[in-house]
Amino acid sequence: DAMVIQNPRYQVTQFGKPVTLSCSQTLNHNVMYWYQQKSSQAPKLLFHYYDKDFNNEADTPDNFQSRRPNTSFCFLDIRSPGLGDAAMYLCATSVSGNEQFFGPGTRLTVL
Amino acid sequence: QKEVEQNSGPLSVPEGAIASLNCTYSDRGSQSFFWYRQYSGKSPELIMFIYSNGDKEDGRFTAQLNKASQYVSLLIRDSQPSDSATYLCAVNQGGKLIFGQGTELSVKP
Repeated sequence: DAMVIQNPRYQVTQFGKPVTLSCSQTLNHNVMYWYQQKSSQAPKLLFHYYDKDFNNEADTPDNFQSRRPNTSFCFLDIRSPGLGDAAMYLCATSVSGNEQFFGPGTRLTVL
Repeated sequence: QKEVEQNSGPLSVPEGAIASLNCTYSDRGSQSFFWYRQYSGKSPELIMFIYSNGDKEDGRFTAQLNKASQYVSLLIRDSQPSDSATYLCAVNQGGKLIFGQGTELSVKP
């Protein structure tokens, strides 16, 4: 089945220790998104790739970076996680900005 | 004014009833609208999308769009306890989804 896969599903890191979250997709969608979602809040868009073009949201902290080495994979790097970065991180894909399909998410805990 | 507004709930309905979830948006230029269901601790799941004014039905779900009133709704007929979740309304603006805060629905057996 075509799908969006995120690894790991649960990630525990220490304050200030870099962490990388990964997303892969078999849908062959050209747009990939990263969202941050905290408890009882709406998903917050961090950035997205439209094909190879990177689009950063204005309020995304510099601590968050992303890479998309090919169509299928996208990575979220958090360079120095703080306690406030504990959240669910959601990857989503779409065809040219239409309906978005979400992966299962990675729950990040910062100790 | 928030760009996409939903009542946070919780909305409680008895099993078998119709649940009505509402959403308003501020950008008149918005063209596509989505409803996502999110169970606690899980990721959002797309259940309906609508682009044109009027109603769109899919099984027990009906999405309604009124662009003049900038209003979109989701009706769930014959509500089941398994429908208990948070429902997120999302509006496509320039290829990006703007989400409402979500409405928590509780269906009581």
